[in-house]
Amino acid sequence: GAVVSQHPSWVICKSGTSVKIECRSLDFQATTMFWYRQFPKQSLMLMATSNEGSKATYEQGVEKDKFLINHASLTLSTLTVTSAHPEDSSFYICSAGAGPYSNQPQHFGDGTRLSIL
Amino acid sequence: QKEVEQNSGPLSVPEGAIASLNCTYSDRGSQSFFWYRQYSGKSPELIMSIYSNGDKEDGRFTAQLNKASQYVSLLIRDSQPSDSATYLCAVRGGRNSGYALNFGKGTSLLVTP
Repeated sequence: GAVVSQHPSWVICKSGTSVKIECRSLDFQATTMFWYRQFPKQSLMLMATSNEGSKATYEQGVEKDKFLINHASLTLSTLTVTSAHPEDSSFYICSAGAGPYSNQPQHFGDGTRLSIL
Repeated sequence: QKEVEQNSGPLSVPEGAIASLNCTYSDRGSQSFFWYRQYSGKSPELIMSIYSNGDKEDGRFTAQLNKASQYVSLLIRDSQPSDSATYLCAVRGGRNSGYALNFGKGTSLLVTP
């Protein structure tokens, strides 16, 4: 099946640090990638939709200047949490799909557990 | 707001029994439906997809879709303790929602030995 690689798997850093998370589709071209956040015992919350070669679309309430998304190629999207604070500590998960006109399911990366001290 | 509703549970079933998980959705334009399983601390993994009305079977799993009633369900036969996890129903929205997956909050399943 389709493989999505996410790196790093966990990060612990000081408040104010910027953290970059990478999401790669290993065996297919992902024109669209999605970034989710999940707090403990809560559901997945879509943060933004990343489209290759264009600006990301952010969900309501998600600060685009704080969560910078870059999707420069068909196999790589990055999420940068800028000036992270303890309230940004969460489980961040990316997923990739074959494109907006595809019925195929999204496949998830293994997630990045971010802890801000 | 496109909604996907699931009973949060926990749903407890004995080992060997059938577990039945249900999901309703609000967007009548939805065409693709998925069930994901998420173990604690892990990311979701796809277990079933269904696109047309009726039943779709894959091993011990059967997905059922009824677009007229806007519900999708997942049956797990011969439940095993390893099936204990949170099951997420996901519905792909149409063009207006950018084809993003809308997730339910998940149903926690506990299979007791």
